[in-house]
Amino acid sequence: DAGVTQSPTHLIKTRGQQVTLRCSPISGHKSVSWYQQVLGQGPQFIFQYYEKEERGRGNFPDRFSARQFPNYSSELNVNALLLGDSALYLCASSFSRGNTEAFFGQGTRLTVV
Amino acid sequence: KQEVTQIPAALSVPEGENLVLNCSFTDSAIYNLQWFRQDPGKGLTSLLLIQSSQREQTSGRLNASLDKSSGRSTLYIAASQPGDSATYLCAAHFGNEKLTFGTGTRLTIIP
Repeated sequence: DAGVTQSPTHLIKTRGQQVTLRCSPISGHKSVSWYQQVLGQGPQFIFQYYEKEERGRGNFPDRFSARQFPNYSSELNVNALLLGDSALYLCASSFSRGNTEAFFGQGTRLTVV
Repeated sequence: KQEVTQIPAALSVPEGENLVLNCSFTDSAIYNLQWFRQDPGKGLTSLLLIQSSQREQTSGRLNASLDKSSGRSTLYIAASQPGDSATYLCAAHFGNEKLTFGTGTRLTIIP
């Protein structure tokens, strides 16, 4: 079975632009979460979606938004990019919401110049 | 505030030795704790998940323990190998929708 897949793997954007990152969860998993990891730090929670509804939101500005589709895949959108948005964006898949085991994708490395 | 801490930030160990990585958390009302491995520039690989009702979990050369009363978890790696070199992260579920991560311990196994 395929694991969590994210696309693209790398991305370079200019300040002020918008970006969309994509995630496909493990087959049968209904929950997708997004995390941001800056160099040298642990991942920070951005969003969780379960059954196509937002179930949790971290301490990120409104420039960050996400959605989950009927096939449980998800997109993370970031508007008006800042240099500080440069990070590894990780998607996590789990069978249900809350306290079940999380499986992560390989991440999307976003560089804002 | 619910926090997870990992000390030390970096650790070097000769090949073949057994080692212990530490993780501490501030809220004893923990639901579960998960250990991950991260290679440079890569995603997270799940190693072990310990539920709050469990004291330890084992997978191959890895053994993770959980002590809610002291707010501590440890990851024991037996007979270390150069391929074990990576950053190890612990993360806790405190009953909400997110994992709260430590900053990781960068492990180097010296051949």
